[in-house]
Amino acid sequence: AQKVTQAQTEISVVEKEDVTLDCVYETRDTTYYLFWYKQPPSGELVFLIRRNSFDEQNEISGRYSWNFQKSTSSFNFTITASQVVDSAVYFCALRTTGTASKLTFGTGTRLQVTL
Amino acid sequence: GEEVAQTPKHLVRGEGQKAKLYCAPIKGHSYVFWYQQVLKNEFKFLISFQNENVFDETGMPKERFSAKCLPNSPCSLEIQATKLEDSAVYFCASSQGELGGNQPQHFGDGTRLSIL
Repeated sequence: AQKVTQAQTEISVVEKEDVTLDCVYETRDTTYYLFWYKQPPSGELVFLIRRNSFDEQNEISGRYSWNFQKSTSSFNFTITASQVVDSAVYFCALRTTGTASKLTFGTGTRLQVTL
Repeated sequence: GEEVAQTPKHLVRGEGQKAKLYCAPIKGHSYVFWYQQVLKNEFKFLISFQNENVFDETGMPKERFSAKCLPNSPCSLEIQATKLEDSAVYFCASSQGELGGNQPQHFGDGTRLSIL
């Protein structure tokens, strides 16, 4: 069975601070895919990034960066110089080839960025 | 279309009534998924389709929930004899590519179902 753990329920930071959201996953599959989604207060789910299990290269996109470490089964997400618009719930999700492609979500981390 | 379109945005039903939700996947996407989000955080997978065929329905409470994806029609999720515990936001997602592939699922804005 697959499992995604986001231990941080809620994080509050002041604008311009850097913040890292943790994600730890469990799976027995050797091929799998990891995702991050953002859910702003308006409620929609916005896809942020996908990472394959065989590609451990870290990725940076603007103020966002992702650190994938297979050795620790972690796929952490860092926002640099946070902004109020980053306030949202962030979900990490796992998808394996053996589970008909359904996503297994973590319980999310609520990020509150204040002025 | 370019987005997953879910209707209605909000649906209110009395306990025991029927509820029907609709989803139009992104044009060209062959795979459709339904998820239930309760308590604003927990996502539960319900069912997936490959075109009009059910692929995985392991998450569906079959006694009251049913879903279809018919050609040239929006997909639908129907709940018979709704219960208070069915109150949730129901998300539809679609993706292209092979099932099990690395294509991301793109989500609609969800339908908020309130059972009174």
